[in-house]
Amino acid sequence: QVQLVQSGAEVKKPGSSVKVSCKASGGTFTSYSISWVRQAPGQGLEWMGGIIPNFGPPKYAQKFQGRVTFSTDESTSTVYMDLSSLRSEDTAVYYCARDRHRSGYYGLEHWGQGTLVTVSS
Amino acid sequence: DIQMTQSPSSLSASVGDRVTITCRASQNINIYLNWYQQKPGKAPKFLIYAASNLQSGVPSRFSGSGSGTDFTLTISSLQPEDFASYYCQQSYSTPLTFGGGTKVEIK
Repeated sequence: QVQLVQSGAEVKKPGSSVKVSCKASGGTFTSYSISWVRQAPGQGLEWMGGIIPNFGPPKYAQKFQGRVTFSTDESTSTVYMDLSSLRSEDTAVYYCARDRHRSGYYGLEHWGQGTLVTVSS
Repeated sequence: DIQMTQSPSSLSASVGDRVTITCRASQNINIYLNWYQQKPGKAPKFLIYAASNLQSGVPSRFSGSGSGTDFTLTISSLQPEDFASYYCQQSYSTPLTFGGGTKVEIK
């Protein structure tokens, strides 16, 4: 079965960057999109963007354009999310999620456990 | 971007009640609508895809319907484990967008 395991919680200073990893196992790594979704405390779900390993450039939500970068390491089946210029409003749980269907964004079937990123001076 | 509006934002119900949550898209999204359940401190769980298709392992008391701009999630007989938050999400186009969520609480 597909499993996504994310890196641990982070505490960051405003203005710094954070890199969260998402390691996939139990399924095909390439061709399925991995999305990043965040959830601020007590708030709803927000899609940051996604990437399909070995299948074209990432897609970024306009809100995060220029501040977020997704990358992949196919040798370890890991996807990375790098968010820069952190501010207090970026404090949230960050989830990776794999799509249910190849080659696009159809539905987020498998989820990582979430990574809490706290931005505080 | 496609805006997704859910209602109600919260509701109180009893075990055994029939519960309906609605989701409206700001434009026609055909049947590209998914539903998720989230419990406190946990990742969302994929419930329904393409408006009405039950994800494997999801109890049959959950059902989804709709197309175009208006969709519903129905729980036919609420169980104790169903108290949670529910989110709709469109996959018609990127950016993927979610509804604001509906919190189902115990009456």
